[in-house]
Amino acid sequence: EAGVTQFPSHSVIEKGQTVTLRCDPISGHDNLYWYRRVMGKEIKFLLHFVKESKQDESGMPNNRFLAERTGGTYSTLKVQPAELEDSGVYFCASSQLPGQGEETQYFGPGTRLLVL
Amino acid sequence: AQKVTQAQTEISVVEKEDVTLDCVYETRDTTYYLFWYKQPPSGELVFLIRRNSFDEQNEISGRYSWNFQKSTSSFNFTITASQVVDSAVYFCARSNMLTFGGGTRLMVKP
Repeated sequence: EAGVTQFPSHSVIEKGQTVTLRCDPISGHDNLYWYRRVMGKEIKFLLHFVKESKQDESGMPNNRFLAERTGGTYSTLKVQPAELEDSGVYFCASSQLPGQGEETQYFGPGTRLLVL
Repeated sequence: AQKVTQAQTEISVVEKEDVTLDCVYETRDTTYYLFWYKQPPSGELVFLIRRNSFDEQNEISGRYSWNFQKSTSSFNFTITASQVVDSAVYFCARSNMLTFGGGTRLMVKP
């Protein structure tokens, strides 16, 4: 069974540009989560989808971040315009229901974003 | 905020030594879950264990064991007879929506 995949693995962009990260969850997992780890800090929750609906987006840092999950399959996280402090590793995770945050989440390899 | 603390940022041991990674958490919930993940050099987070707050039995899986002490809000992880392949960053986390500790980098030298 394929695990969670993320694309790209690395991205280097200039401040002010736009970047879109993609996550493909494990097949059949309705829950999809985004997390990020900025340099020297803890891994922090960004948001949670149940199928195509945003269940909790309390961790999204500001309105430069837009996450979508059309059709309830893969998800994209767009950063527009990117700022220097957005640099870090963006992780995606997926899990089966019930999706109350207590079930085991399986993580992808992350996307390393560097904003110059 | 209810934190998860991994006080050891980095540990270095020699192969075959036993090593314990500490994890202390805060929570106001009666029911919660605790997790450990391993992040090898390749970068992905690999799930190791999930425990619920009602089950305080220690768990052993091969060379890995976990000690859950609700009274001290700790969920420590021990690797027995460490190997070079155990070198990684280890994260402790608590539900919900996974609150992570800062991670402990374990280096096992041959």
